[in-house]
Amino acid sequence: GIQVEQSPPDLILQEGANSTLRCNFSDSVNNLQWFHQNPWGQLINLFYIPSGTKQNGRLSATTVATERYSLLYISSSQTTDSGVYFCAVAYSNFGNEKLTFGTGTRLTIIP
Amino acid sequence: GAVVSQHPSRVICKSGTSVKIECRSLDFQATTMFWYRQFPKQSLMLMATSNEGSKATYEQGVEKDKFLINHASLTLSTLTVTSAHPEDSSFYICSARDSEITYEQYFGPGTRLTVT
Repeated sequence: GIQVEQSPPDLILQEGANSTLRCNFSDSVNNLQWFHQNPWGQLINLFYIPSGTKQNGRLSATTVATERYSLLYISSSQTTDSGVYFCAVAYSNFGNEKLTFGTGTRLTIIP
Repeated sequence: GAVVSQHPSRVICKSGTSVKIECRSLDFQATTMFWYRQFPKQSLMLMATSNEGSKATYEQGVEKDKFLINHASLTLSTLTVTSAHPEDSSFYICSARDSEITYEQYFGPGTRLTVT
C-alpha cells in the first residue's frame, strides 16, 4: 500500500510565526487531503488537493503530484492553530476509496 | 462542507457488553461510509468500508464478528463493538463522501469508547 510520511513530527512556534508542514507519499494518488485535528478529536477539512495550489485565508497548500509531496503553509500562526495536522492520500476509484493517513505533525503555538 | 454526526460522543461500558455507535450524514446521502480507529497520540487506521445495502469490507486484521457494521440507509451507518474488552478502548471516527465528482471525505466528531 501507499506509504505516507509527514515532517516535522512536532513543531513549537511563537504566535505570529509562519510554518511549513510536509507530506511525502510513495505512489501515485488522485486524492490528497489535509486535516486539522482539534483537541477534542474532530478532524477539520483544510484542503482537498490532489494536485496544484489552493489558498484559504492564512492557510495554503501545494501538491506536486509528479514528485509525490504536498506542503501545507500556515502564516501568522494563532494559538487556535494548535493541534495535529494530518495528510491523507489514496489512489481512488468509486468503490475503493481507502485513505491512508500520515503520522501527523503536532503543532503548538505559544502566546 | 458536508456534515457528519456521531452518537454517542463518549461511552463507558463494562467488559463483555456490546456498544453501538451511530454515524449519520446530515445534509447529504452517502452510499459509502468509512470507519476508523485512533489510539492515543497515533494516526487514524481504516477499519472497514460500509456500503449501503451490502456487506461491509473489512481491513486485514479487523475482526468482522467483533466489529459489526450495518449501513441500513443512505444516511446512517452503525458500528457495534460486541463483547467489548479493555483493549477495544479507543477513539472511533466515521467518514463519508458527499460528492459523485470528487473523492473528498468528511469526518464525524468521533466516539471515545472506554471499556472497564
